[in-house]
Amino acid sequence: DIQLTQSPSFLSASVGDRVTITCRASQDIRGNLAWYHQKPGKAPKLLISAASTLQSGVPSRFSGSGSGTEFTLTISSLQPEDFATYYCQQLDSLITFGPGTTVDI
Amino acid sequence: QVQVVQSGAEVKKPGASVKVSCKASGYSSTSFYMHWVRQAPGQGLEWMGNISPDGSTNYAQKFQGRLTVTRDTSTGTFYMELRSLRSEETAIYYCARSAMITLGGVLVGPDAFDIWGQGTLVSVSS
Repeated sequence: DIQLTQSPSFLSASVGDRVTITCRASQDIRGNLAWYHQKPGKAPKLLISAASTLQSGVPSRFSGSGSGTEFTLTISSLQPEDFATYYCQQLDSLITFGPGTTVDI
Repeated sequence: QVQVVQSGAEVKKPGASVKVSCKASGYSSTSFYMHWVRQAPGQGLEWMGNISPDGSTNYAQKFQGRLTVTRDTSTGTFYMELRSLRSEETAIYYCARSAMITLGGVLVGPDAFDIWGQGTLVSVSS
């Protein structure tokens, strides 16, 4: 099974900060990676698919990059509604989620 | 409006089975994958399995033999049945839709999960 790790697991930030979250895969997953965020009591929401494709309606402050085994999610200027838990997901071989990164004040 | 709506909360005893439903509307349910994902209290997301547009199923290894994902194409309803429940399997269970990724007309696999149900709380307790 393909394992995903995320760093950091917890991130304390302020409105306006640039935030970067890293996701590493245990083997090459090409570009088959997605990013979600989840707020308490809500279902996850898809932000980015195929490593770097921004979903319709998702603000352009979110961006994704990477391929192979290392990927990043960047929020260029953190907004109050961005405080949430972020998960990466690989879809190259079955499906696995990363453990999550909580972005908090 | 594209949406998937799940059945209500369930309370089960250890050793019992649970069957959760997920009704799709606003799109052709046989043209997309449907996945099941669970989240224990305070924990992360765990993919359980899916059913593909052609009706074939895939399961995470840890659920092989205990999990069955089915669908009723006449109503656009999907089902997740988990047997031999344990108390540590108390969680919110989500269904989530994904498109197909094709290459040269050949199905390669699922895309990311773009539409999620609201979640169904399954509590397992004696």
